[in-house]
Amino acid sequence: QQQVKQSPQSLIVQKGGISIINCAYENTAFDYFPWYQQFPGKGPALLIAIRPDVSEKKEGRFTISFNKSAKQFSLHIMDSQPGDSATYFCAASLRGGANNLFFGTGTRLTVIP
Amino acid sequence: NAGVTQTPKFRILKIGQSMTLQCTQDMNHNYMYWYRQDPGMGLKLIYYSVGAGITDKGEVPNGYNVSRSTTEDFPLRLELAAPSQTSVYFCASRLQGREHNEQFFGPGTRLTVL
Repeated sequence: QQQVKQSPQSLIVQKGGISIINCAYENTAFDYFPWYQQFPGKGPALLIAIRPDVSEKKEGRFTISFNKSAKQFSLHIMDSQPGDSATYFCAASLRGGANNLFFGTGTRLTVIP
Repeated sequence: NAGVTQTPKFRILKIGQSMTLQCTQDMNHNYMYWYRQDPGMGLKLIYYSVGAGITDKGEVPNGYNVSRSTTEDFPLRLELAAPSQTSVYFCASRLQGREHNEQFFGPGTRLTVL
């Protein structure tokens, strides 16, 4: 059972365009929602994260939009660049305990020059 | 700091063989994790540890064992390797505390079981 559902599986965007990746969850006990970026042959690396007390967080060209009532969150990449081509994973962790992460299935983003 | 290091990078095993995947971190992180990554499935937690001597199961622990005798090292043991254990394995670590949620990942070990 996938605790965090992610779409689309793959995405092709023109350079300069906006990339949007969506995630949904059911467990209302999740209180931390990160996005990880993974390049081929490398481990994932944290890109940006949000907690449910805010609806949006922006870091440079990357923005997380969070809708607590809909239990959805999304990653927006503005002015997408070829260097953004990677696999993106959303994730969620529970309050307390070891804060283990539950990952989405990933989105492979390709930005065409 | 080297961060999180994993060895080996690649390994091919025959069915029934055993091996240990090594993971070391030099950031003095309390928490360490083992994930497996399969195509189209994301990352699944195998085992985790909140400190030396303390380990617990994640989502997919069957067929694996772990130990944590030091803060730095968190080896993953595969006994009786099966084709279903063909995957890429990632080790991660982080500091304890709600304000330290970022997990730092190693470069991974690609394992094939034939």
